[in-house]
Amino acid sequence: NAGVTQTPKFRILKIGQSMTLQCTQDMNHNYMYWYRQDPGMGLKLIYYSVGAGITDKGEVPNGYNVSRSTTEDFPLRLELAAPSQTSVYFCASSRGQAPTSPLHFGNGTRLTVT
Amino acid sequence: QQPVQSPQAVILREGEDAVINCSSSKALYSVHWYRQKHGEAPVFLMILLKGGEQKGHDKISASFNEKKQQSSLYLTASQLSYSGTYFCGTEYNGDKIIFGKGTRLHILP
Repeated sequence: NAGVTQTPKFRILKIGQSMTLQCTQDMNHNYMYWYRQDPGMGLKLIYYSVGAGITDKGEVPNGYNVSRSTTEDFPLRLELAAPSQTSVYFCASSRGQAPTSPLHFGNGTRLTVT
Repeated sequence: QQPVQSPQAVILREGEDAVINCSSSKALYSVHWYRQKHGEAPVFLMILLKGGEQKGHDKISASFNEKKQQSSLYLTASQLSYSGTYFCGTEYNGDKIIFGKGTRLHILP
């Protein structure tokens, strides 16, 4: 199993450009998450999904969009990139269901907007 | 809604003990603990589900006081490999997990 795979690993965007961060998992997990990590600020939840076709906002959703058309994939779309979106982005998945289950993280995408 | 972790940073010598605290202003469904090494993804340590529950993993254990809405992570006889940033993640209704700002732990030889 590859686990959670994120692409690309690094990306530099110019202000106003758009891009999609890819995330795919091969563990048949129901729940998927997008977090961003800024220095000293911990992990902030952007969006999450509890199953295909279902998405919901997290703590910091503005400037981002997501879709979940399959169980495996959960892409994150940045429209009109801004310098404030410079961050490391982590995708995670979990089996979900009660009792709660651990998050499995991808290796992250380091994004710089200049 | 973000849980509060304390302390923000700890410096220990190898073999010393540490306690990291995580508190919430809302009732908790569960508490997760993760460790992140520099430049890497967070790695799962343990989940605590019930009030008063304690779990252990080698020399790392944790407690969860549901009534006080807080959890503590205990690192006993710390090793160099314990260095990193520790995050607690709180779950309120069985779906999303919200993380604290983290506690940086540095172990000196």
